[in-house]
Amino acid sequence: EVQVLESGGGLVQPGGSLRLSCAASGFIFNTYAMSWVRQAPGRGLEWVSTISGSGGTTYNADSVKGRFTISRDNSKNTLYLQMNSLRVEDTALYYCVKDHRDWGRGTLVTVSS
Amino acid sequence: DIQMTQSPSTLSASVGDRVTITCRASQSISSWLAWYQQKPGKAPKLLIYKASSLEGGVPSRFSGSGSGTEFTLTISSLQPDDFATYYCQQYNGTFGQGTKVEIK
Repeated sequence: EVQVLESGGGLVQPGGSLRLSCAASGFIFNTYAMSWVRQAPGRGLEWVSTISGSGGTTYNADSVKGRFTISRDNSKNTLYLQMNSLRVEDTALYYCVKDHRDWGRGTLVTVSS
Repeated sequence: DIQMTQSPSTLSASVGDRVTITCRASQSISSWLAWYQQKPGKAPKLLIYKASSLEGGVPSRFSGSGSGTEFTLTISSLQPDDFATYYCQQYNGTFGQGTKVEIK
């Protein structure tokens, strides 16, 4: 059974940093692109970043370019999102997504002073 | 980023109605489009991939069509379980704003 489980969310002050992790199981991790998608409270879905199976290619939304970095460790079946220079508007539930069809439950990031 | 424009933003319909949601891309995305259903407090669920392919386990009343810049999601006969919010997404990129399907 495919599972993706996010962790690392929490409360952080504006300008701070946080690293999200996504532990994957039930599939051959290095053969699938992985993505982060977020949803602010009461708002729609926003694509954040995608990384290829090898990790060699990444794509980022304009809203996070230069601040967020997606990466993966295929030896640990784990996806990461390093978030720097966090803003209040980054407050959201962050989902880890495999191949469009498998979503985690999300981890909540709150940016507030 | 490619912009995805979804319409309508809200749709009121009755059980048994045929429902159509439209998604337009700001430039051609070929058939690289997915449709999702989301219910409150839940993660989105994939309905359609590559614009018109039905995901396994999804009822056949759901269908997708289109290519290039114009796409549609159709529910042929709305069921009580279908009242939810629907999103389109270009592969590895932006989502539409969402369409909330409400009970009329």
